[in-house]
Amino acid sequence: GQQVMQIPQYQHVQEGEDFTTYCNSSTTLSNIQWYKQRPGGHPVFLIQLVKSGEVKKQKRLTFQFGEAKKNSSLHITATQTTDVGTYFCAGQVDYKLSFGAGTTVTVRA
Amino acid sequence: NAGVMQNPRHLVRRRGQEARLRCSPMKGHSHVYWYRQLPEEGLKFMVYLQKENIIDESGMPKERFSAEFPKEGPSILRIQQVVRGDSAAYFCASSPPAGSTNGYTFGSGTRLTVV
Repeated sequence: GQQVMQIPQYQHVQEGEDFTTYCNSSTTLSNIQWYKQRPGGHPVFLIQLVKSGEVKKQKRLTFQFGEAKKNSSLHITATQTTDVGTYFCAGQVDYKLSFGAGTTVTVRA
Repeated sequence: NAGVMQNPRHLVRRRGQEARLRCSPMKGHSHVYWYRQLPEEGLKFMVYLQKENIIDESGMPKERFSAEFPKEGPSILRIQQVVRGDSAAYFCASSPPAGSTNGYTFGSGTRLTVV
């Protein structure tokens, strides 16, 4: 079955630094979605990428979808304490959305 | 304009009891998904339902677990004869019909603890 791998599992970042989390799928995707889950909270939809090579930005967050539609990345610049949480990618094939294990981000002030 | 409503937020059951988790999707959403999340893990797909239909239950354990989404009322995830390994957060998500670019909307989840 479809598998979505996400690395790194943990990211400890100094406030103000940049970091990137990566997502790889074993199969070609219809789209890829990114979610953020704060500690004790529920996943919140951030963005969806559909087209091969697509790049989207949300303020300090940049999302990319690979040319083969099998991988994606999330890059955060100038990390802030509000960025703390777990970021999940989720690959969609037909109706099924398969989540990666997530990257848990902690920020050192 | 309520989001996805799940209840209860927290549920404690003794081993062998039944757990019933409820989910009301967002208004206008006809697709409901249930996911299970163990501590510090990702979300594992369990089941996908539309009104009165189970579309895909490939992620559901074959025994003790069942789900429904009746014509009227919320979707129910039912776990019979719970065991300690069932302790987890169970999230329900809903989406509009295919073609939306707004992703899934998740409820706040039910944290099930089996003692």
